Amino acid sequence: QSVLTQPPSVSGAPGQRVIISCTGSSSNIGAGFDVHWYQQLPGTSPKLIIYRNSNRPSGVPDRFSGSKSDTSASLAITGLQAEDEADYYCQSYDSLSDWVFGGGTKLTVL
Amino acid sequence: QAQLQQSGPGLVKPSQTLSLTCTVPGGSISSGSYYWTWIRQPAGKGLEWIGRMYTSGSTNYNPSLKSRVTISGDTSKNQFSLKLSSVTAADTAVYYCARATHYGSGTYYRYYFDYWGQGTLVTVSS
Repeated sequence: QSVLTQPPSVSGAPGQRVIISCTGSSSNIGAGFDVHWYQQLPGTSPKLIIYRNSNRPSGVPDRFSGSKSDTSASLAITGLQAEDEADYYCQSYDSLSDWVFGGGTKLTVL
Repeated sequence: QAQLQQSGPGLVKPSQTLSLTCTVPGGSISSGSYYWTWIRQPAGKGLEWIGRMYTSGSTNYNPSLKSRVTISGDTSKNQFSLKLSSVTAADTAVYYCARATHYGSGTYYRYYFDYWGQGTLVTVSS
């Protein structure tokens, strides 16, 4: 059972917009701790795509955006492309458990 | 996009100690505001933070693994290592090393993982 809760799967057609949620609690996101997002393509290591809630590292397309509110955060992907098919993980700090990840969300591009 | 280089055996017998090493090319593990970190991922499951070592050499571990984990560094080789003792089948996973980079002010809560190793599948089996 992960400290941060993500939907197991989401899907969308090419060109569409999908949103992946990350729900926490008062000991992590709700306490004001930042959320970071990672993309894990099949068979590869995770890659940082959003840091500090809404910032994109150099080279990450602006189709990826992040936001945070209260005890949850969201990753939005617009203009969905086949190469976006991957697992996505949110990560934050928890005052009880230290560094924590969400359980991961599998994005399927239909 | 893996920037760190991992090495170590992919098969460990039950009750023995798992040992992995991560080499940091082109930099120093003893400088900067970084934590050198180990993370694992059981097959088909999510990511679990194992522990971290600061550039000063101080360490912190996941409470659920603390009694079995040791992370240490070798500055002469620019490497840091993971040892996990008394392994069981439940420790079978892909193990990643990663660099956690600091931003803003504050301590543990102001870090994200920006560089990762290629991952090592470690199977615990006799």
